[in-house]
Amino acid sequence: EAQVTQNPRYLITVTGKKLTVTCSQNMNHEYMSWYRQDPGLGLRQIYYSMNVEVTDKGDVPEGYKVSRKEKRNFPLILESPSPNQTSLYFCASSLLGRAGEQYFGPGTRLTVT
Amino acid sequence: KQEVTQIPAALSVPEGENLVLNCSFTDSAIYNLQWFRQDPGKGLTSLLLIQSSQREQTSGRLNASLDKSSGRSTLYIAASQPGDSATYLCAVIGSGGGADGLTFGKGTHLIIQP
Repeated sequence: EAQVTQNPRYLITVTGKKLTVTCSQNMNHEYMSWYRQDPGLGLRQIYYSMNVEVTDKGDVPEGYKVSRKEKRNFPLILESPSPNQTSLYFCASSLLGRAGEQYFGPGTRLTVT
Repeated sequence: KQEVTQIPAALSVPEGENLVLNCSFTDSAIYNLQWFRQDPGKGLTSLLLIQSSQREQTSGRLNASLDKSSGRSTLYIAASQPGDSATYLCAVIGSGGGADGLTFGKGTHLIIQP
């Protein structure tokens, strides 16, 4: 089944403890991105990647890192999480770049205390 | 900066009714517009994608229209069912520079009463 998967789905952690949220797609998509969803603010793009080893900042990149060593994987790294990064995170991918149909993962709910 | 607005924010209707969800955007320089549904605790499911050169797209009981010049899109749901209850989001991809990703509206929370 064609899909975008994320792990973990739920995570509670403490301030400053490094964490990684994984994202993987099995559709051979070149374009991948991360969004966060917050009440009243909607979904906002954090980082995106147009291909392997090509990443760039989205609208709200502060406090996040990403890497794209393989086409299928696009992990999101929080090196020193803070409470304001408590949010619902979505990974997305697209075959035709940013202008193609975007397919989203199931989401990761992160709580930082 | 592109802004996307969805009206109404919430809607509750009896089963079987036809309904229209509205989406407006401030900058008409877009590649496409995409409608999604979001169920509680789940991700976003793509419903329809309309390219900027298209006027409408249909999938089953769903029909989405796009009027790029006026910055409007509508999602028409025919013969609504309780399973249609969800939050519906519209999003655009800009073609005039600025943000790389989708710009989303805040959604319409739809409840279909059995």
